[in-house]
Amino acid sequence: NAGVTQTPKFRVLKTGQSMTLLCAQDMNHEYMYWYRQDPGMGLRLIHYSVGEGTTAKGEVPDGYNVSRLKKQNFLLGLESAAPSQTSVYFCASSYTGHPNEKLFFGSGTQLSVL
Amino acid sequence: AQSVTQLGSHVSVSEGALVLLRCNYSSSVPPYLFWYVQYPNQGLQLLLKYTTGATLVKGINGFEAEFKKSETSFHLTKPSAHMSDAAEYFCAVSDPGYQKVTFGTGTKLQVIP
Repeated sequence: NAGVTQTPKFRVLKTGQSMTLLCAQDMNHEYMYWYRQDPGMGLRLIHYSVGEGTTAKGEVPDGYNVSRLKKQNFLLGLESAAPSQTSVYFCASSYTGHPNEKLFFGSGTQLSVL
Repeated sequence: AQSVTQLGSHVSVSEGALVLLRCNYSSSVPPYLFWYVQYPNQGLQLLLKYTTGATLVKGINGFEAEFKKSETSFHLTKPSAHMSDAAEYFCAVSDPGYQKVTFGTGTKLQVIP
C-alpha cells in the first residue's frame, strides 16, 4: 500500500552540484507531477507528465529537467543547483489527469542548496 | 486564468471552537474546487472536493465546505476544533478544460488547548 514514494527525503547540495529526485507510484496512474513548495507561495507546478515517455513544462520549469521512461517513475533533475532551488519538492500522481480528480502526493523531499 | 486566494496565512482557534478557513477563487468557467490538508512532514491529502451537484460538500474528519458561486467562495468549516486538526490547509481550483490545478498559498491552523 505504498502509493507515491519519494527518495531521498532530505538532501543538502552545494551550489553547482547536480542531483536527481525519484518519484515512484504503484497505482498505475497515467499522470505525474512535480511541485515545489515555498513559504507563502503554496505549491507551484514545475513539470508534469501525461504518460510514459512524455513530459511537459509547468509554471516554474527553469533549472529543472524531468524524465518518465517508465510509467511508474518520474525523475526530477537539477543539473546545476542554485540557492533559489532550496525548497520542499512534492511528487503527485493521478489516474487520468481529469481536472476533477484528486491528486495523490508523496511525503516530500526537503532540499537545501548552500 | 484561474487563481485562488486564501485569507489569513495563520489562524488560531481554541479547542472546541468553530474553524473557518476562507478561500476565494477566480475562474472563467464553473470550476472544480478542492481542499487539501498537510500534516507536519507529510504530503498533501484530499479533505473534500466540489465538482457538480450539491453545493455543501462534506469531507473527512468532520470538515465541510460550501460552494457559493455568487461570492466565488469555497470556505472550509468545522463546528468544533480538535487538537489533531492542527495542520496546513490548501484550497485549490481547476477548470474543466484545463489540466492543471492551481493551489492557494495555504493557511496554517493552530489549535490552542
